[in-house]
Amino acid sequence: NAGVMQNPRHLVRRRGQEARLRCSPMKGHSHVYWYRQLPEEGLKFMVYLQKENIIDESGMPKERFSAEFPKEGPSILRIQQVVRGDSAAYFCASSLWTRISYNEQFFGPGTRLTVL
Amino acid sequence: AQSVTQLDSQVPVFEEAPVELRCNYSSSVSVYLFWYVQYPNQGLQLLLKYLSGSTLVESINGFEAEFNKSQTSFHLRKPSVHISDTAEYFCAVSSTRGSQGNLIFGKGTKLSVKP
Repeated sequence: NAGVMQNPRHLVRRRGQEARLRCSPMKGHSHVYWYRQLPEEGLKFMVYLQKENIIDESGMPKERFSAEFPKEGPSILRIQQVVRGDSAAYFCASSLWTRISYNEQFFGPGTRLTVL
Repeated sequence: AQSVTQLDSQVPVFEEAPVELRCNYSSSVSVYLFWYVQYPNQGLQLLLKYLSGSTLVESINGFEAEFNKSQTSFHLRKPSVHISDTAEYFCAVSSTRGSQGNLIFGKGTKLSVKP
């Protein structure tokens, strides 16, 4: 039973390039969450998606960042025109969804983005 | 809105000594509480959680945490640590209402266990 998969594990981009981070949730999970971890900081919530729908994007920067979770395939976090301040570890988590109990989030190993 | 404060950024301790990692939270609504552990270059693993019921919760590897509503705390304890417990520990909260999507994390505490 594979866990949450993220790729690439490490990504290096030059300023101005685009970064695409992929997340495949655990089998059977329909909900995906993205978090960013800056150096010496805790994780900060970015966005929460279910298939083909953004549920909560209150933590997403207003510009350059977007996320999707299509009906087929992995969830994608896209960062356009990267800047050095985007260098961080980006973690994806997935969960089942039930109305009557807490939906535990399972985390992937993260993608470490370095912007040169 | 919720916030989480982990007062100690680093905690060095000798093997077999007891340890307490402190966590305080602030919230205007009821919350679920969590401790996650992160080993170097890995993702987060859930260590234990408080959802309801008994305020003392335990993990399979000897950690425990107690929810104290009056002090808004959820401190993590272990009576005797091992070298393998060296990791970063994150306290987190989530509202019991709404979409439950948003985990709020503290800044983390790096536990360093020395022989």
